[in-house]
Amino acid sequence: EVQLVESGGTLVQPGWSLRVSCAASGFTFSTYWMSWVRQAPGKGLEWVANIKYDGSEEYYVDSVKGRFTVSRDNAKNSLYLQMNSLRADDTAVYYCARIRYSSGGYYRDFWGQGTLVTVSS
Amino acid sequence: IQMTQSPSSVSASVGDRVTMTCRASQGISTWLAWYQQKPGKAPELLIYGASSLESGVPSRFSGSGSGTDFTLTISSLQPEDSATYYCQRANSSPPGLTFGGGTKVEIK
Repeated sequence: EVQLVESGGTLVQPGWSLRVSCAASGFTFSTYWMSWVRQAPGKGLEWVANIKYDGSEEYYVDSVKGRFTVSRDNAKNSLYLQMNSLRADDTAVYYCARIRYSSGGYYRDFWGQGTLVTVSS
Repeated sequence: IQMTQSPSSVSASVGDRVTMTCRASQGISTWLAWYQQKPGKAPELLIYGASSLESGVPSRFSGSGSGTDFTLTISSLQPEDSATYYCQRANSSPPGLTFGGGTKVEIK
């Protein structure tokens, strides 16, 4: 059974740093692209970052470029999101998701339960 | 590529047929996904490739379209279908894979 379990979300002050993690199990982690998606309170879904299965490519939404870094440890079946210079508008539930390649397209087929990051003074 | 969904919300009765649309700002062939998100829960993949039903998804859900215009239809609305539905472009390599703004389905 595929499982993704996020952790590390908490309350931090503006300007602080935080790392959230995602522990994966039930599939061959090292063969899948992975993704972070966030959802601000009462808002829609926003993709944050994607990372290639071997960690050689990373992509970010413009609003987090230069502040957030996605990484992975395939030996530990873990995905990470390092968030620096946090702002109030980064407040959201952060989900990790597996990206499946199917018939030429890329689909987020399994999601974790999410971890809440709150940025407030 | 921007994804635009309409309507932003719809209210319908149990048993009704419900249709919602997603428009891409550029053609994306059939590389489109639909997700369902219930309150307080993570999204779940419903449809991929614009019209292929994900395993375990009830057959009352269907998707259609290609190019820039796509549709998600619930043939007979059930109480458990109360949720927000998001489309997501799925073309090219993963950079992006952006979502539409969502359509909230409520039961009358």
